[in-house]
Amino acid sequence: AQTVTQSQPEMSVQEAETVTLSCTYDTSESNYYLFWYKQPPSRQMILVIRQEAYKQQNATENRFSVNFQKAAKSFSLKISDSQLGDTAMYFCAFNTNAGKSTFGDGTTLTVKP
Amino acid sequence: DAGVIQSPRHEVTEMGQEVTLRCKPISGHDYLFWYRQTMMRGLELLIYFNNNVPIDDSGMPEDRFSAKMPNASFSTLKIQPSEPRDSAVYFCASSLGLAGGRNEQFFGPGTRLTVL
Repeated sequence: AQTVTQSQPEMSVQEAETVTLSCTYDTSESNYYLFWYKQPPSRQMILVIRQEAYKQQNATENRFSVNFQKAAKSFSLKISDSQLGDTAMYFCAFNTNAGKSTFGDGTTLTVKP
Repeated sequence: DAGVIQSPRHEVTEMGQEVTLRCKPISGHDYLFWYRQTMMRGLELLIYFNNNVPIDDSGMPEDRFSAKMPNASFSTLKIQPSEPRDSAVYFCASSLGLAGGRNEQFFGPGTRLTVL
């Protein structure tokens, strides 16, 4: 069974600053996928970024990047130049090739003006 | 494409009543997922389908819950009889596949269910 742990229930950051959300996971799978989803107050789940475990290069999507440490089973999300619209709950998720999805408990991020 | 469509957006019912949640996946997506989100348990995968066939229902909490996908464009999640502890937001999601660049799941807006 897979587990995903997000150790920071809440975080805050000043607008335009950088913030890092942490995520660790546990699995015996060798090939898998990791995701960060954003859930704003509208509750719509939006994919932020994806990482394939077999790729060593860290994924980047505009202001969002990850630090993927496979040996340490760590998958942190860095948000640069934080914007007020980044205020949301962020979920780290793990997918196997067999479709098993496991989500962390989420981190509530507040961007302060 | 309109994205994943769920109905109703909100449902309030009384304990013991039957509840049916509906989902229309994105056209062309072969996989459909049902999730439940609660404060206590977070986001849980209940069941998923591939080409209308249930593949893994190990997350379905109990026999009161059932899910069907009669065709590629429609799925239902039914709770009968409903109980207050079933109160949650239920999400439907769909994806092209499970691997590679095809496994991005697109979520619907969710159905907020309240069982009194």
